Amino acid sequence: QVHLVESGGGVVQAGRSLRLSCAASGFTFSTYAMHWVRQAPGKGLEWVAVILYDGSNVFYGNSVQGRSTISRDNSKNTLYLQMNSLRYEDTAIYYCARGGGGWLELDYWGQGTLVTVSA
Amino acid sequence: QSVLTQPPSASGTPGQSVIISCSGSNSNVGSNTVNWYQQLPGTAPKLLIYYNNQRPSGVPDRFSGSKSGTSASLAIGGLQSEDEADYYCASWDDSLKRYVFGIGTKVSVL
Repeated sequence: QVHLVESGGGVVQAGRSLRLSCAASGFTFSTYAMHWVRQAPGKGLEWVAVILYDGSNVFYGNSVQGRSTISRDNSKNTLYLQMNSLRYEDTAIYYCARGGGGWLELDYWGQGTLVTVSA
Repeated sequence: QSVLTQPPSASGTPGQSVIISCSGSNSNVGSNTVNWYQQLPGTAPKLLIYYNNQRPSGVPDRFSGSKSGTSASLAIGGLQSEDEADYYCASWDDSLKRYVFGIGTKVSVL
């Protein structure tokens, strides 16, 4: 079955960088778009970024544009999110999710990894 | 503030029906499909409805989606206590070139 496991979260000082990973299994990773979605404590869902199946196209949400890079290694079935110049408002649970057949329906989600940005 | 407008809350008694609206614009709901996600307390979101009105395998047929113009809606029929959750609509926005979520609607079963 489809399994997505995020890692790399933790406490980090404002202004520093962090790289999140999402290990995928149970499906042919290289044929699906992959997304990052985040959720600040007590808040709603915020879409972060998407990368198409072959990495040819990427799109970013407004809050992370210019500070983050989404990438993937299809040989390792792993998705990444490199976040730079972290801000307090980046504190959130970060979920990776698979884009389904149409790439925009997020049909499987990981359990999330918590990023806490401290002053 | 989101480009997709949802009511912050909705409620009903067991067995009742609840309808959640999602209002957008021509650049998102009006020209792309709408997906709905359910997030139970303390858990990751789950895809509930895709392509406006399609249910993934395992989703009860009590849940249904529809879209007309720049608005979409999610209907929950025969409300059950386990339906207490946050519900989010989402769609691609052609102008922003981003995937956008609504603010979410908290459904309570009275």
